[in-house]
Amino acid sequence: DTGVSQDPRHKITKRGQNVTFRCDPISEHNRLYWYRQTLGQGPEFLTYFQNEAQLEKSRLLSDRFSAERPKGSFSTLEIQRTEQGDSAMYLCASSPTGQDTIYFGEGSWLTVV
Amino acid sequence: AQSVSQHNHHVILSEAASLELGCNYSYGGTVNLFWYVQYPGQHLQLLLKYFSGDPLVKGIKGFEAEFIKSKFSFNLRKPSVQWSDTAEYFCAVNAGPTGGGNKLTFGTGTQLKVEL
Repeated sequence: DTGVSQDPRHKITKRGQNVTFRCDPISEHNRLYWYRQTLGQGPEFLTYFQNEAQLEKSRLLSDRFSAERPKGSFSTLEIQRTEQGDSAMYLCASSPTGQDTIYFGEGSWLTVV
Repeated sequence: AQSVSQHNHHVILSEAASLELGCNYSYGGTVNLFWYVQYPGQHLQLLLKYFSGDPLVKGIKGFEAEFIKSKFSFNLRKPSVQWSDTAEYFCAVNAGPTGGGNKLTFGTGTQLKVEL
């Protein structure tokens, strides 16, 4: 399968713990995106990378959230000191530079208890 | 800022019925428009997209959408739905070629249930 891969698919964590999600984009896709989706809502943009550079961050991305893409390939999204309001599906997507179609992964479900 | 409205949150149809899902966006400049579908337990998949040219675009599985610039709309249609079309449908927009990457703004989605 050559689609966008996310890991883990599901994570249950206690409030206050840190969690990290990993995303492997489609090979040779320069752009990588993180979105968040809660029940009954559409995906909301969090941040995106062009290669290793993080070019835009949403106001939704509080100081407890950090995303990296150190070598311009895979990316990680870390949430520190999780809160119940962080419970959501975290979607990763990728696209080639210059093309406007982005391809989504299956998402990582986070439940904070 | 861009925004997208999907007014139908839940739609129930019988097989063979015709489908039209509404989508309106707010953005005054050049836009690219998309419909994504999420089947139960699966990831978001692109159904169709409009960048420029013919405002009537055809996508996969018999879906089509019409871009009406004067109405800021991009409604999704299918003449005859099937049980397998049961899914959640999302309309999305991004600013034109100079907009921030390919950042998409999504609507809240429409849950379609097709009954046999």
